[in-house]
Amino acid sequence: SQKIEQNSEALNIQEGKTATLTCNYTNYSPAYLQWYRQDPGRGPVFLLLIRENEKEKRKERLKVTFDTTLKQSLFHITASQPADSATYLCATGGLGSGNTGKLIFGQGTTLQVKP
Amino acid sequence: NAGVTQTPKFQVLKTGQSMTLQCAQDMNHNSMYWYRQDPGMGLRLIYYSASEGTTDKGEVPNGYNVSRLNKREFSLRLESAAPSQTSVYFCASRLKGTLAGVGTEAFFGQGTRLTVV
Repeated sequence: SQKIEQNSEALNIQEGKTATLTCNYTNYSPAYLQWYRQDPGRGPVFLLLIRENEKEKRKERLKVTFDTTLKQSLFHITASQPADSATYLCATGGLGSGNTGKLIFGQGTTLQVKP
Repeated sequence: NAGVTQTPKFQVLKTGQSMTLQCAQDMNHNSMYWYRQDPGMGLRLIYYSASEGTTDKGEVPNGYNVSRLNKREFSLRLESAAPSQTSVYFCASRLKGTLAGVGTEAFFGQGTRLTVV
């Protein structure tokens, strides 16, 4: 079955460093991957989308890469701040394995940025 | 615009009771989704509706039913609640989930925290 996996262990980094989060997928060739941010007690909020024909996408301090050979997307936050502390989720859906409008998520990785 | 509105925000049920979680969106979106979120499990898709008039099972549909009442509303029903259904439930919508090669962003409600005792 289609699977999308993230490292469920929390990531702790120092303020100012670059945080790198990983999303791997199996049994699937997604047309795109999305990244969301979730704060405690709130619903996820969309951050970025990257399509299969795009190697890299940037938005302010955020950067997403998509490697279809490794079946992996990396999500980077540069110059991280304590306000970046949250859970980050990747999601996928779209063409590749029968596009039905489904949208599935990974487990999420919790990022803690220490001052 | 209110976005995606879920009701209720909190609910406690006894085992065997039934209830319906309501979700409405005012963004004229075609696709709507129900997820449950448990610690360490991320968001798991229960059911979704790619467009008005259609519903499909997600990853964890057992014990649930859904109704796409109209384009705005998508409800989730627990016919006989079980303690294993204790979770936080999220409704989401997006413009169109089936557009080839284009993944439109999903908008989420605030969640319903359900406890089954």
